[in-house]
Amino acid sequence: TQLLEQSPQFLSIQEGENLTVYCNSSSVFSSLQWYRQEPGEGPVLLVTVVTGGEVKKLKRLTFQFGDARKDSSLHITAAQPGDTGLYLCAGARYSGAGSYQLTFGKGTKLSVIP
Amino acid sequence: EAGVAQSPRYKIIEKRQSVAFWCNPISGHATLYWYQQILGQGPKLLIQFQNNGVVDDSQLPKDRFSAERLKGVDSTLKIQPAKLEDSAVYLCASSLGPGFYSGNTIYFGEGSWLTVV
Repeated sequence: TQLLEQSPQFLSIQEGENLTVYCNSSSVFSSLQWYRQEPGEGPVLLVTVVTGGEVKKLKRLTFQFGDARKDSSLHITAAQPGDTGLYLCAGARYSGAGSYQLTFGKGTKLSVIP
Repeated sequence: EAGVAQSPRYKIIEKRQSVAFWCNPISGHATLYWYQQILGQGPKLLIQFQNNGVVDDSQLPKDRFSAERLKGVDSTLKIQPAKLEDSAVYLCASSLGPGFYSGNTIYFGEGSWLTVV
């Protein structure tokens, strides 16, 4: 069973459209992060949300952490071809001995068609 | 600022052979991670170091995988003997300290691509 479920797995949209990607879990996280990964590269951190209900904006990207800190969403306004990539959410949980472990979802592969 | 360096970039080996990957984290980063990313999945933590000590290796298959960070800087990840299911990208990452909060960014390397045939 996947700890973090991301949906949709694949998304292909036209340039200029809006989209929302979801990250859901039955577990509570101390924080949640969103990454973007392009082919042949490592993930790049976009944002970290910590407080339940928190909303953060990064240009055309809006990130929201659920009130119960179990889920999150990423909304992109007026998508551009440069937004194409794999979007990964990752939840942090305390794993003991002062250590936190980051668990990733499978990702949403976004293609924005010019 | 230089990023996380990894080598080799690509490696093809036969099953039951051994392979080693090297990682040089960003200067000054005390925390170093090795993740395994199988095609179509998100990265999975294998091991986390704080300086030269292991913080979390609960998901490391210790019968075949080993990792070390002897001087608290560079790290190596070894697989011996390799299995077909070890085919994946091995990502090294580093951060100033442990924890996942705003202000403590984790930086990933480009990864080492392993194919076991």
